[in-house]
Amino acid sequence: AQKITQTQPGMFVQEKEAVTLDCTYDTSDQSYGLFWYKQPSSGEMIFLIYQGSYDEQNATEGRYSLNFQKARKSANLVISASQLGDSAMYFCAMREGRGNFNKFYFGSGTKLNVKP
Amino acid sequence: ETGVTQTPRHLVMGMTNKKSLKCEQHLGHNAMYWYKQSAKKPLELMFVYSLEERVENNSVPSRFSPECPNSSHLFLHLHTLQPEDSALYLCASSPAGYNEQFFGPGTRLTVL
Repeated sequence: AQKITQTQPGMFVQEKEAVTLDCTYDTSDQSYGLFWYKQPSSGEMIFLIYQGSYDEQNATEGRYSLNFQKARKSANLVISASQLGDSAMYFCAMREGRGNFNKFYFGSGTKLNVKP
Repeated sequence: ETGVTQTPRHLVMGMTNKKSLKCEQHLGHNAMYWYKQSAKKPLELMFVYSLEERVENNSVPSRFSPECPNSSHLFLHLHTLQPEDSALYLCASSPAGYNEQFFGPGTRLTVL
């Protein structure tokens, strides 16, 4: 089974509107972390937001928020007030493990296009 | 200055060549990673080093050989590659424990 599933290969959103990118995950660990990364066409992976499995509040970082629904094993990314510069690939990822060694799993990504 | 740097940014090599990819992190992290990103596929974790010791090798062919001489540097030595090895190779680092990874800009590798 896939550890991280992103069901939206591509998304369009109008500039200044909000958009939700879906992510579901699969783990039997009690302690894990969920991440979202942005990858522009330049190729670099840019960390956006992190949610720990024990965090009770949804993580927020500026215009990014993570809608964490633990029972459903979903960790959707919400981008508010989309900007043209938000056009990129977005990857959901999960960290399992403890101590010095962690395993990271990535989804297949969602390509977001922001229209002017 | 970017925390994680990779050189070269682009590499074209023949199947009989030997080349090396270099990754350097300036963040004081303890763990470093090599990923392969092929078109339309999720990132594939190749190798993980924690405190300069290899802790993960995800069934990567022996034509890829990693080296981690210290906690700041990570190499990926390449020899007799195949055209299907063409991909973006990303290096990342993270502090020990539960924290996120920080990625370098990647090396775009083309094998002819």
